[in-house]
Amino acid sequence: EPEVTQTPSHQVTQMGQEVILRCVPISNHLYFYWYRQILGQKVEFLVSFYNNEISEKSEIFDDQFSVERPDGSNFTLKIRSTKLEDSAMYFCASSESSGGSYNEQFFGPGTRLTVL
Amino acid sequence: AQSVTQLDSQVPVFEEAPVELRCNYSSSVSVYLFWYVQYPNQGLQLLLKYLSGSTLVKGINGFEAEFNKSQTSFHLRKPSVHISDTAEYFCAVTTKGGSYIPTFGRGTSLIVHP
Repeated sequence: EPEVTQTPSHQVTQMGQEVILRCVPISNHLYFYWYRQILGQKVEFLVSFYNNEISEKSEIFDDQFSVERPDGSNFTLKIRSTKLEDSAMYFCASSESSGGSYNEQFFGPGTRLTVL
Repeated sequence: AQSVTQLDSQVPVFEEAPVELRCNYSSSVSVYLFWYVQYPNQGLQLLLKYLSGSTLVKGINGFEAEFNKSQTSFHLRKPSVHISDTAEYFCAVTTKGGSYIPTFGRGTSLIVHP
C-alpha cells in the first residue's frame, strides 16, 4: 500500500541553524501539506502546496519557513534559523486533490525536531 | 473558525472493556468530522469520518462514532478494546466548502492494560 515517508525520523540541531525536513508524498497525489505538533499540544496546520506554489498557509508559517518540491518526488520544509520553540513533531501529508470535494489526506510518520 | 476539544488527555482501560473517547467541536457552519489514530512511531491514520448521511459512523478496527449535532459532539467508541488499540487518538473538524484543512484536537492517549 502506498504511503507517505519522512526523513529523518529525528533531527537534533543547534539554535540558529538551518534544517531541512524531507517528505516523499504518495506518487499520484497533487496536494502536499506540512503540520506540526509541539509536545502536549494540538496538531497545527502550517502550509499547503499545489502546482509548485503555496496554496494556503497559517500564521505560524512565517518568513523563516519555506517549502519546495525540488524534484518529482520530494517535498521539503526548510527552517532557516531554528529557535527553541521550533522543537516539535513535523508531519507531512498528501492528497489526490483539495477543495471542491473532500479528499483524504495521508500522513507520514513525522520528524521529531529538537532544537538545543 | 472551528475548534475541537478532546476532554480527556489520557484514558486508561483494561483489555476487553468498552471505551469512549470524547470530542466536542465548535463551528458556525456545517462540518465534516474525523478521528485519526497514531500508533507509536507511525503517522496519523484515518480511523473514520463523518461527511453526511447516517450519524453513526463505523470505522476500522471495530471503532465507531456518533455525530450529535445538538450536542456538537463526535465521541468515539469501541465495545471491547485490545492491547493493540493502545495509541494516540485525534479528533478533527473541517468545514464544508472550504479547503478541507483539518483542525485537530490535542489528542487522547488510550492506554489498554492487560
